Amino acid sequence: GAVVSQHPSRVICKSGTSVKIECRSLDFQATTMFWYRQFPKQSLMLMATSNEGSKATYEQGVEKDKFLINHASLTLSTLTVTSAHPEDSSFYICSASSGLNTEAFFGQGTRLTVV
Amino acid sequence: GEDVEQSLFLSVREGDSSVINCTYTDSSSTYLYWYKQEPGAGLQLLTYIFSNMDMKQDQRLTVLLNKKDKHLSLRIADTQTGDSAIYFCAEKNSGGSYIPTFGRGTSLIVHP
Repeated sequence: GAVVSQHPSRVICKSGTSVKIECRSLDFQATTMFWYRQFPKQSLMLMATSNEGSKATYEQGVEKDKFLINHASLTLSTLTVTSAHPEDSSFYICSASSGLNTEAFFGQGTRLTVV
Repeated sequence: GEDVEQSLFLSVREGDSSVINCTYTDSSSTYLYWYKQEPGAGLQLLTYIFSNMDMKQDQRLTVLLNKKDKHLSLRIADTQTGDSAIYFCAEKNSGGSYIPTFGRGTSLIVHP
């Protein structure tokens, strides 16, 4: 299957700082990328969907000014957690798809800890 | 709305078969998936089944679908310690882009 690389795998940051997480499709062009948040012992919560060159579509309850998503190229999307707080600590996972209705491939996730 | 339910834990002995069950509510579900998540990692698609199928087998994995009861199961034959992980059931209907609805995941623990 296709490979999606997420970086960093772990990050610890101080409260009030911003953190950027990258999601790259290594061997295919990802027209659509998805960002999820996973709480302990819970399922994945879709945060937003981004299409290359367009503004991201955020799910209800997700603050777009807090979680900035950029999808400037067909192989890279970034999620920036701005002014991070301890409650933003979580496991963030991206997935990438090459088009409508096709399979999406997941990155390995990023464990964010805000102290 | 859409809902996918799974039991949270399953414990089996190495060499036995594991059966992980899932129920869903969306009658328009077209695709049903099983993902595996190892600790600290992303999701790996294990297998999927279309709603017009009853069964799909892929090596040690067997997926059974009862569309009438909206029940999906994943059977892992000859379970190994390396199969210990969280298994997510997910469903998607035929419309729109690839945004499946996930269950909460079943944590499979395999004892030696």
